[in-house]
Amino acid sequence: TAGITQAPTSQILAAGRSMTLRCTQDMRHNAMYWYRQDLGLGLRLIHYSNTAGTTGKGEVPDGYSVSRANTDDFPLTLASAVPSQTSVYFCASSDGAGEAGELFFGEGSRLTVL
Amino acid sequence: GQNIDQPTEMTATEGAIVQINCTYQTSGFNGLFWYQQHAGEAPTFLSYNVLDGLEEKGRFSSFLSRSKGYSYLLLKELQMKDSASYLCAVLGSNYQLIWGAGTKLIIKP
Repeated sequence: TAGITQAPTSQILAAGRSMTLRCTQDMRHNAMYWYRQDLGLGLRLIHYSNTAGTTGKGEVPDGYSVSRANTDDFPLTLASAVPSQTSVYFCASSDGAGEAGELFFGEGSRLTVL
Repeated sequence: GQNIDQPTEMTATEGAIVQINCTYQTSGFNGLFWYQQHAGEAPTFLSYNVLDGLEEKGRFSSFLSRSKGYSYLLLKELQMKDSASYLCAVLGSNYQLIWGAGTKLIIKP
């Protein structure tokens, strides 16, 4: 089973350009999340969605937007990338609302903003 | 503020036992998770503790003391494939996770 698929795996982006990181799950999980992982720091929640049609802000939402048009897809958009958004981005899902359950992660998208 | 502390790096020998500690200070507590993350890969779930005590799952065990704000992950009979980062995360009062920076475990033959 695929679980969670993220694309692209890696990307180099010029500052000021926009970028959408794609995330698709096939587990029919209600909740989905976007995290960033930076060296020396814990995972930080960017945005989340407890169910299709709803989204919420996490710890570090500025500069990012998300949508949840259906259960399976949860894209993350950087409208105008800045170098501080260089990071590894992980999409995750869980069965049920909130982060109280086991999280299933995608393989990550490594983004470099120059 | 809210804080999760883990050692940055630990080294252990194949076949041995290692204990990875995690201390936390959070506003509220609704459980503690451990995840394993191999280099360049996604984190994967290892354990969840919400009550005090030891939970054993094969070679891995996780312990929680809520009164001390303390947990540890115990890995027995270490194998080379256990070389990875181990992430501690606490579910706070608002049911959002607070993540530690992770402990990189290096296993030597």
